Amino acid sequence: DTGVSQDPRHKITKRGQNVTFRCDPISEHNRLYWYRQTLGQGPEFLTYFQNEAQLEKSRLLSDRFSAERPKGSFSTLEIQRTEQGDSAMYLCASSLGPSANTGELFFGEGSRLTVL
Amino acid sequence: KQEVTQIPAALSVPEGENLVLNCSFTDSAIYNLQWFRQDPGKGLTSLLLIQSSQREQTSGRLNASLDKSSGRSTLYIAASQPGDSATYLCAVGPLFSGNTGKLIFGQGTTLQVKP
Repeated sequence: DTGVSQDPRHKITKRGQNVTFRCDPISEHNRLYWYRQTLGQGPEFLTYFQNEAQLEKSRLLSDRFSAERPKGSFSTLEIQRTEQGDSAMYLCASSLGPSANTGELFFGEGSRLTVL
Repeated sequence: KQEVTQIPAALSVPEGENLVLNCSFTDSAIYNLQWFRQDPGKGLTSLLLIQSSQREQTSGRLNASLDKSSGRSTLYIAASQPGDSATYLCAVGPLFSGNTGKLIFGQGTTLQVKP
């Protein structure tokens, strides 16, 4: 599979628990993005990496959220002390690096989080 | 602040009809505009990417146009099929963000094509 891969596809958790999502980008892409989408809305930008460097974080990304991309390949998004308002689809996307980048994003299937 | 609006929110058409989906944005200073398709409970599939210097892009039965001065883009679907039923999302890359991939999305138009 050469597309963007996300795991797990669906996570149900109780309020207050920690959850972690993983994203594997397209192999030759060195930019990786996290977006969040709530029901009936378009996705909203959370953060992005170029290789292992996290270059930008949205104000939507509270202190309970942390994203990493330690080796410049896969990325993890951790949410600590989950709240019901965190229930959403978490989408990962990747793109080519700046020298070859048209800005076209390729998304994964998403990880749906339900906080009870 | 850039805002992206898609009207209508939902659209139902009979199979075979040609249709147009609309996207408007408030700030004409854009780097690019991308149209996506999203099936229920799934991720986004890229359909067409238009750079700010381009006026349109075509792929199969799809044609997307861009008019920066009026802040509008349209997605034209020819000879619609039931398999085209999905939510179509328009996303703008602001110029100040360059090619960072920091997109601003509309809320989408949910299309139903009836057999």
